[in-house]
Amino acid sequence: DAGVIQSPRHEVTEMGQEVTLRCKPISGHDYLFWYRQTMMRGLELLIYFNNNVPIDDSGMPEDRFSAKMPNASFSTLKIQPSEPRDSAVYFCASSPPLRGYNEQFFGPGTRLTVL
Amino acid sequence: DAKTTQPPSMDCAEGRAANLPCNHSTISGNEYVYWYRQIHSQGPQYIIHGLKNNETNEMASLIITEDRKSSTLILPHATLRDTAVYYCIVRAYTGTASKLTFGTGTRLQVTL
Repeated sequence: DAGVIQSPRHEVTEMGQEVTLRCKPISGHDYLFWYRQTMMRGLELLIYFNNNVPIDDSGMPEDRFSAKMPNASFSTLKIQPSEPRDSAVYFCASSPPLRGYNEQFFGPGTRLTVL
Repeated sequence: DAKTTQPPSMDCAEGRAANLPCNHSTISGNEYVYWYRQIHSQGPQYIIHGLKNNETNEMASLIITEDRKSSTLILPHATLRDTAVYYCIVRAYTGTASKLTFGTGTRLQVTL
């Protein structure tokens, strides 16, 4: 099992540019989560999907952020336009069908730097 | 969700047991205790979870007090690779997937 796959691993862009982060969850998992981690705010949930449908997007900071999950094996997080304060590590995680507890498997993260 | 309190940092000698405490005095009956860890520059990793009974797996043991107001994660023989930030999270099972709220955790430093 390859685990959760994220790309790119590192992204450096200039303010105002569009950024797209990608995630491939573990096969068979039906939940997908996007988190953001910064020194100031720690690890915070942005949005999560169940069976490709967004369930809770209350953590999405503003309209510049959007996430999609067109199928069970792919999700994107897009920032348009990007700003320096968006610099962070973005993690994708997936979770198998519920078994009464919440074991999430995290990817290696994408380190985003907006200049 | 119940709030958790963890010491900000701990040290442990390699080969010794690392005992990481967590207080969750406001925990309610349907809330699980989860432990995750994050090794530097990696994504968080699930370790173990429990409801009321002590639990053990290949990574660690989880000891939950009888009143469930606190718990201890035990790494029986810590190695340098166990150096990480350890998060104690309390979350109810609501029948749907629920977000994990990560606090500041305990930074465990394993030394030679």
